[in-house]
Amino acid sequence: SQQGEEDPQALSIQEGENATMNCSYKTSINNLQWYRQNSGRGLVHLILIRSNEREKHSGRLRVTLDTSKKSSSLLITASRAADTASYFCARMAAGNKLTFGGGTRVLVKP
Amino acid sequence: DGGITQSPKYLFRKEGQNVTLSCEQNLNHDAMYWYRQDPGQGLRLIYYSQIVNDFQKGDIAEGYSVSREKKESFPLTVTSAQKNPTAFYLCASSIGTFSGNTIYFGEGSWLTVV
Repeated sequence: SQQGEEDPQALSIQEGENATMNCSYKTSINNLQWYRQNSGRGLVHLILIRSNEREKHSGRLRVTLDTSKKSSSLLITASRAADTASYFCARMAAGNKLTFGGGTRVLVKP
Repeated sequence: DGGITQSPKYLFRKEGQNVTLSCEQNLNHDAMYWYRQDPGQGLRLIYYSQIVNDFQKGDIAEGYSVSREKKESFPLTVTSAQKNPTAFYLCASSIGTFSGNTIYFGEGSWLTVV
């Protein structure tokens, strides 16, 4: 089974609204990463949060990590049509092996 | 420009045929990876290599083979033993083998069985 399961599987919002997606995992992590994928393209790294961190920001992105609940969330504030993409969380295990969840497909309507 | 180059972008395979997907990086990264993505799904790890001349199986290695003869190259062969090879294949690389490194992805290769 895949480590790092995203919820919801799909999300549709209006431009300007915030988008929140969650990621749960089963075993302990060294860090958790969020990636973005436009349709038919490669993945682009967004944010890495380490197991001893609780929150990180990058521009309009905010990631939180709760290791006691084995969960993380990605918030996109003031969404734009260009934010339409799939977003994946990935757990980093020992040996630099990155394991992905199924992703959240986000549609931002203009 | 530095980055990861995958080729070809689109590839068609006949039943029983082996095909090889190319992945080249000029980022001087030690670690390289191959992932498979099925439509609407997440990524699954096929093989990874932490150093030249060494590689390990990922979660779905059956029907695939790799080599790592050069630091910058990590080709993936999809063999005839892979019964359902139609998918999007992504190559990636990272600086080193300890956790905390960002992984960079190529643009992917679409493989279709005809």
